[in-house]
Amino acid sequence: AQSVTQLGSHVSVSEGALVLLRCNYSSSVPPYLFWYVQYPNQGLQLLLKYTSAATLVKGINGFEAEFKKSETSFHLTKPSAHMSDAAEYFCAVSDRGGNKLVFGAGTILRVKS
Amino acid sequence: KAGVTQTPRYLIKTRGQQVTLSCSPISGHRSVSWYQQTPGQGLQFLFEYFSETQRNKGNFPGRFSGRQFSNSRSEMNVSTLELGDSALYLCASSLDGGRTDTQYFGPGTRLTVL
Repeated sequence: AQSVTQLGSHVSVSEGALVLLRCNYSSSVPPYLFWYVQYPNQGLQLLLKYTSAATLVKGINGFEAEFKKSETSFHLTKPSAHMSDAAEYFCAVSDRGGNKLVFGAGTILRVKS
Repeated sequence: KAGVTQTPRYLIKTRGQQVTLSCSPISGHRSVSWYQQTPGQGLQFLFEYFSETQRNKGNFPGRFSGRQFSNSRSEMNVSTLELGDSALYLCASSLDGGRTDTQYFGPGTRLTVL
């Protein structure tokens, strides 16, 4: 079965600092991986996805993620944090046989001024 | 293009009642999935509908059911509500429900069971 582990339920960075949110996956089929962001009282918004094309995936709002098969990782990064990046971030893997997403537990990002 | 809409946004029910939540997908999307989000269990997949047929189902009791109409709109129903059903219920739509297909999420319905 597919699963996702997000290391660190809370991450705190200073404004302008590097953002690194960690995601490791387990998948019995070629993985398709997604990062979503959720702001308070809102649904999830897709940041980026990996679908076996380029291993370095660029997303919206300056985020990017690199698929590393040898490390079974798909970490999310952003060179310079902005206050508006404060939110909860979810990594997900697409399960076999359709459109079911298996989510990690989420990481709450706090940005300090 | 209008996004995914969910109604109502907030609901308060008591134990034992039943509830129906509605989801209107993005125009042209044929796949609708439902997820439950709670602080304890996180985001969990409930089920997926495609062309009015349930194509995929998560590990939830039979009290949770759904359906999809010919216009792709979907409803989910929870019967005999329990306190543990309090959650944010998210609906997501995608074009054809493939593994690489992007799912677009609605704002959710916040259900509180008293």
